[in-house]
Amino acid sequence: KQEVTQIPAALSVPEGENLVLNCSFTDSAIYNLQWFRQDPGKGLTSLLLIQSSQREQTSGRLNASLDKSSGRSTLYIAASQPGDSATYLCAVRPMNRDDKIIFGKGTRLHILP
Amino acid sequence: NAGVMQNPRHLVRRRGQEARLRCSPMKGHSHVYWYRQLPEEGLKFMVYLQKENIIDESGMPKERFSAEFPKEGPSILRIQQVVRGDSAAYFCASSPPDRGDYGYTFGSGTRLTVV
Repeated sequence: KQEVTQIPAALSVPEGENLVLNCSFTDSAIYNLQWFRQDPGKGLTSLLLIQSSQREQTSGRLNASLDKSSGRSTLYIAASQPGDSATYLCAVRPMNRDDKIIFGKGTRLHILP
Repeated sequence: NAGVMQNPRHLVRRRGQEARLRCSPMKGHSHVYWYRQLPEEGLKFMVYLQKENIIDESGMPKERFSAEFPKEGPSILRIQQVVRGDSAAYFCASSPPDRGDYGYTFGSGTRLTVV
């Protein structure tokens, strides 16, 4: 059974710092991995999608890496800003075509102005 | 492309009433997934549907909850005789019929409050 863990559960850093959010999964047979952002009381915004054959994806100040064999992904945020404050969710999609994506519990990020 | 549309955004029901949550997938998407997010919890899978078929309902509570995705119209998540513990955010996601290189697209959710 696939399990997704995100560490840390919460993180506070001063504005301008670079930071890394971690995601680990127990079954390496994944189709892809997706990072989402969720603001309080809002829906999910997809940030980056990494296919199982890829090692990383970049979008602006965000970079996500994937090491499928070790069951790990990281989300790197460069030059953090107060607007980056949100919960970041990692989700894996199993290789089985009919299987649903499994979410971690998220990391609550607070950027201190 | 309007994205995944969920309505209502907020729903208040008294204990014992019925709640109906609607989800219209993105154009061209025939797979719909419902997730529930309890306060301070992660997103938990509930049900996966294709047009007129329930593919996986392993996350649905055994009683009071049902889901459908008819040939025409939105997908409906129905909760009968709601209780306070049903208060949560319910999210719908959709994906195209073939996986391709797509991720999931989520709607903005319906926040159900049972009073």
